[in-house]
Amino acid sequence: GAVVSQHPSWVICKSGTSVKIECRSLDFQATTMFWYRQFPKQSLMLMATSNEGSKATYEQGVEKDKFLINHASLTLSTLTVTSAHPEDSSFYICSARDMASGYTGELFFGEGSRLTVL
Amino acid sequence: AQTVTQSQPEMSVQEAETVTLSCTYDTSESDYYLFWYKQPPSRQMILVIRQEAYKQQNATENRFSVNFQKAAKSFSLKISDSQLGDAAMYFCASWYSGGGADGLTFGKGTHLIIQP
Repeated sequence: GAVVSQHPSWVICKSGTSVKIECRSLDFQATTMFWYRQFPKQSLMLMATSNEGSKATYEQGVEKDKFLINHASLTLSTLTVTSAHPEDSSFYICSARDMASGYTGELFFGEGSRLTVL
Repeated sequence: AQTVTQSQPEMSVQEAETVTLSCTYDTSESDYYLFWYKQPPSRQMILVIRQEAYKQQNATENRFSVNFQKAAKSFSLKISDSQLGDAAMYFCASWYSGGGADGLTFGKGTHLIIQP
């Protein structure tokens, strides 16, 4: 089955620094990847849609200058949290759809990245 | 826009018993897909079951089955012979197939507790 790998799984950083999270599709090409944010005991909130070779599409209320998304290849999307602050601490999950396996809408998820900003 | 509602924040069931998790959705589209995802303590999202809206037959995957009521826009998940490993957050989700580049819309989730 389709596998999505996310790295790092856990990162701690100081306030004001930037953190990069990588999301890779290991055995399929993903022209589109999705970045979700999940607060404790809450649901997944779509932050942005990452499009290979073009600008990401951000959901309303998500600061595009704070959360930089780059989708430079068909297998890699990165999320950079710039000038991180404690309120950015959260669980970030990437996902992708394997279009080659059929138009079913199923998303394959990475393992998630827990960001803690001190 | 699509919305997904899970009205049960938490459910508890005895091991080996059957439990049903509720989900309702709202969409104006005619061609869409519905999903149940499981998120165990590891927080890895795992697909449990998928239902295509154009199919009248309810999807089944081993101990997991759905009751899909299209007119009522209801999509409940039944777990039979509950096992300790079923303990997790369960999220209902929808996707409009015409929005190929769109992500899934998730409900708020139901925390399922399995009592030994």
